[in-house]
Amino acid sequence: LAKTTQPISMDSYEGQEVNITCSHNNIATNDYITWYQQFPSQGPRFIIQGYKTKVTNEVASLFIPADRKSSTLSLPRVSLSDTAVYYCLVGDAPGSSNTGKLIFGQGTTLQVKP
Amino acid sequence: DGGITQSPKYLFRKEGQNVTLSCEQNLNHDAMYWYRQDPGQGLRLIYYSQIVNDFQKGDIAEGYSVSREKKESFPLTVTSAQKNPTAFYLCASHARNYGYTFGSGTRLTVV
Repeated sequence: LAKTTQPISMDSYEGQEVNITCSHNNIATNDYITWYQQFPSQGPRFIIQGYKTKVTNEVASLFIPADRKSSTLSLPRVSLSDTAVYYCLVGDAPGSSNTGKLIFGQGTTLQVKP
Repeated sequence: DGGITQSPKYLFRKEGQNVTLSCEQNLNHDAMYWYRQDPGQGLRLIYYSQIVNDFQKGDIAEGYSVSREKKESFPLTVTSAQKNPTAFYLCASHARNYGYTFGSGTRLTVV
């Protein structure tokens, strides 16, 4: 499974757009990029998943350049409730056979201030 | 609603005791996982099981044991051999075309 690198922490203010970038230089051809959100004392929650270009859902957007060696999670107009840890993972391809495990790094701790 | 149920939410263990953490899912997922999380850290894989009656060690299996007698259940036992068991434990399941679903966790404290 490809290793990922993210900033340890980020600060933002309510109403701002937040962009969190993840590097995954060794991503494989069949790998997808998935982002999870974790609040304190809770399990991680799926946010968004993509393979290339741009994916958007009701919560976030995911931007993936053509070389796929990085990706950017974009959270529009964050609120205090978006304060959480955000994890970038590579390898969970939908429809694939079970790969056996997820590799979590330290994630990015986002602190949203009033 | 389908999901993963972990119990108890909080658990206290005396040194030298074995304790078992429960994980039950009604999602009909084949694969299940146990992760450990320490303060300020990411999740580390303890054990995982892809089918009933089969499981594999993860990165930090020493001092832990599991069983997978039923598809719905994947209990984790923290044995006395685990020297630093105080942590937040997360159970997850996975199915093709569905992704990973996590439980709400069990916080284990050694007293």
